Amino acid sequence: DQQVKQNSPSLSVQEGRISILNCDYTNSMFDYFLWYKKYPAEGPTFLISISSIKDKNEDGRFTVFLNKSAKHLSLHIVPSQPGDSAVYFCAASTSYGGSQGNLIFGKGTKLSVKP
Amino acid sequence: GAVVSQHPSRVICKSGTSVKIECRSLDFQATTMFWYRQFPKQSLMLMATSNEGSKATYEQGVEKDKFLINHASLTLSTLTVTSAHPEDSSFYICSARDIQARGISYEQYFGPGTRLTVT
Repeated sequence: DQQVKQNSPSLSVQEGRISILNCDYTNSMFDYFLWYKKYPAEGPTFLISISSIKDKNEDGRFTVFLNKSAKHLSLHIVPSQPGDSAVYFCAASTSYGGSQGNLIFGKGTKLSVKP
Repeated sequence: GAVVSQHPSRVICKSGTSVKIECRSLDFQATTMFWYRQFPKQSLMLMATSNEGSKATYEQGVEKDKFLINHASLTLSTLTVTSAHPEDSSFYICSARDIQARGISYEQYFGPGTRLTVT
């Protein structure tokens, strides 16, 4: 049973426009969420995160929105650049229980930004 | 920034042989390192959590006798795939958590991964 879902395997956006990547989760114990960016044959690199006590976190062109009632988060990239083309993974974690701090990943969304 | 290296970056081995993959934190100390496995177009699946000086904690379904993990120092963890078979072919990625982090640290720094092909 997938606890973190990224239902769009791919997304294509024109350079300069906004990219919106979505992520849904099922475990209400998750209280921290992260986005990672991954290029082929490389490890993921941390992008931005958000705690469940917040509903928005912004870092430059990247903003993550969290809707706890809907168990949904999204990553907005604006303006999108060709260098943003990569696979984006949503990850969730909990501060409770034996697996506290472990990351549960979605399957990723491949973003293509066209010049 | 925090850098994690993995060696080798890719390895091809024959069925039945064992392969060791190293994961190093280069500019920080890590009490906890994680080993993931990724199949094509799939998510990163956590295999085990490795704590320095203690036994690794394996996720359900991961054979501890097949995937041996050693975390002998604060900067090095190794994953040994024993008696490898073609179905073990995958992309193995490690990550590390900074010892300096206070409280519960969620942020993990990932290595570049190791592509294992078993023939």
